[in-house]
Amino acid sequence: DTGVSQNPRHKITKRGQNVTFRCDPISEHNRLYWYRQTLGQGPEFLTYFQNEAQLEKSRLLSDRFSAERPKGSFSTLEIQRTEQGDSAMYLCASSPVGGLTEAFFGQGTRLTVV
Amino acid sequence: QQPVQSPQAVILREGEDAVINCSSSKALYSVHWYRQKHGEAPVFLMILLKGGEQKGHEKISASFNEKKQQSSLYLTASQLSYSGTYFCGTGSNNAGNMLTFGGGTRLMVKP
Repeated sequence: DTGVSQNPRHKITKRGQNVTFRCDPISEHNRLYWYRQTLGQGPEFLTYFQNEAQLEKSRLLSDRFSAERPKGSFSTLEIQRTEQGDSAMYLCASSPVGGLTEAFFGQGTRLTVV
Repeated sequence: QQPVQSPQAVILREGEDAVINCSSSKALYSVHWYRQKHGEAPVFLMILLKGGEQKGHEKISASFNEKKQQSSLYLTASQLSYSGTYFCGTGSNNAGNMLTFGGGTRLMVKP
């Protein structure tokens, strides 16, 4: 297992376009998280899945953002009508179910909206 | 509300010790510590749980004062590899890693 994989690693898009990112968690991990990180800041929680169910969504997440995890495996995060303020690193993390355990982060997708 | 980390940055010589603090205004269930090197993913260091349980690496130590809603990470005999940005993340329940991270502490260890 090579860990949490995210694609693409970099994405440049024009304002107003839609973008979709993919996260492949560690195979036996039931829990999957999306975070956003801007330069010089800590990661900011966006949403959480346990298997295919989206159990938590940050109030900061606008309705332009949607995430899915069909069949409880990989996950996608879509941003519609991108804005310059969406420019950030989007991090995915996974962890096994059962109490609190370490989360394994992927290397992220860096989004630049021009 | 985001936990507050202090100091914001610290420079050490190899072999010196450092303490990084994390303070929250909310009641906490857990505190999670991660280290992130430039351009890389955050890497887990330790979890401290309400009630005193700790999970993490043997060479890293930390404390969690539930009453004061504070945690401290202790780095002893620092090595060059300790350089990076340290983040504390706070959790309000045991449902998972839905964490509120602090702004980070940048640590640089020089030879």
